Amino acid sequence: GDSVTQMEGPVTLSEEACLTINCTYTATGYPSLFWYVQYPGEGLQLLLKATKADDKGSNKGFEATYRKETTSFHLEKGSVQVSDSAVYFCALSEGTSGSRLTFGEGTQLTVNP
Amino acid sequence: DGGITQSPKYLFRKEGQNVTLSCEQNLNHDAMYWYRQDPGQGLRLIYYSQIVNDFQKGDIAEGYSVSREKKESFPLTVTSAQKNPTAFYLCASSIQGALFEKLFFGSGTQLSVL
Repeated sequence: GDSVTQMEGPVTLSEEACLTINCTYTATGYPSLFWYVQYPGEGLQLLLKATKADDKGSNKGFEATYRKETTSFHLEKGSVQVSDSAVYFCALSEGTSGSRLTFGEGTQLTVNP
Repeated sequence: DGGITQSPKYLFRKEGQNVTLSCEQNLNHDAMYWYRQDPGQGLRLIYYSQIVNDFQKGDIAEGYSVSREKKESFPLTVTSAQKNPTAFYLCASSIQGALFEKLFFGSGTQLSVL
C-alpha cells in the first residue's frame, strides 16, 4: 500500500537558518504530493502541493519539488522564522479527488530567536 | 467566514462511557473525514463520508461510529469498545470530485480518559 516516510524530529534551528525536511514515498501509481502544517493547538493547513513529476510547489517561502526518480518531496526554506515553528506533515494521494490522503508521521520544527 | 467547527476542544471520557465529538462545516463540501492523531504516528483515517447518508470505514474504524444525516454535520462517537481513546481528533472536509482538492481541517478535539 501507499506510505510516506518523513525524517525523524524534532528539528531545532536558529532564526534565519536553512531548513530541509526529508520526505519519501511509496505508491503504486502517480500520486499527488502535499505538505501540511499544524500550528500548536490547531488543525492542519495545506502549505503546498505538487501534482506531477518535476512540479515545484511553493508558498510562504517554502518549496518542495516532486522527484519521481527518487520518490521524494523534500520541504525546504532558505531562512526560517520563529513563526515557522510547527509540525509539518508530508502526504500523498492517489485518488482522483485528492482527498484520501496518506500522511507521514510529522516533523516537529522549533525555531529559536 | 466559512470553515469547519469542532467541539468541544477538550473532552474527558469515563470508563465504559460513549462520547460524541461534533463536526460542523459551512463550506458546502460533500466529503467529510475523521482522523485520529497520536504523537509520532501522523494522522490515521477513522471514517469518511462522500455524500449524505453514506459513509465508509477508514483504516482504524473499530470502536468508533459515525452518522451523516446532514451535509453540514459528521459527528463521531467514541464507544466503550475503543480501549485506547486518548488522542487528538481532527475533522476535515473537501469538495468531492474535484481533482487534487485539498482538505480543510477543523481545530481538533483532545479526548482524554479519566
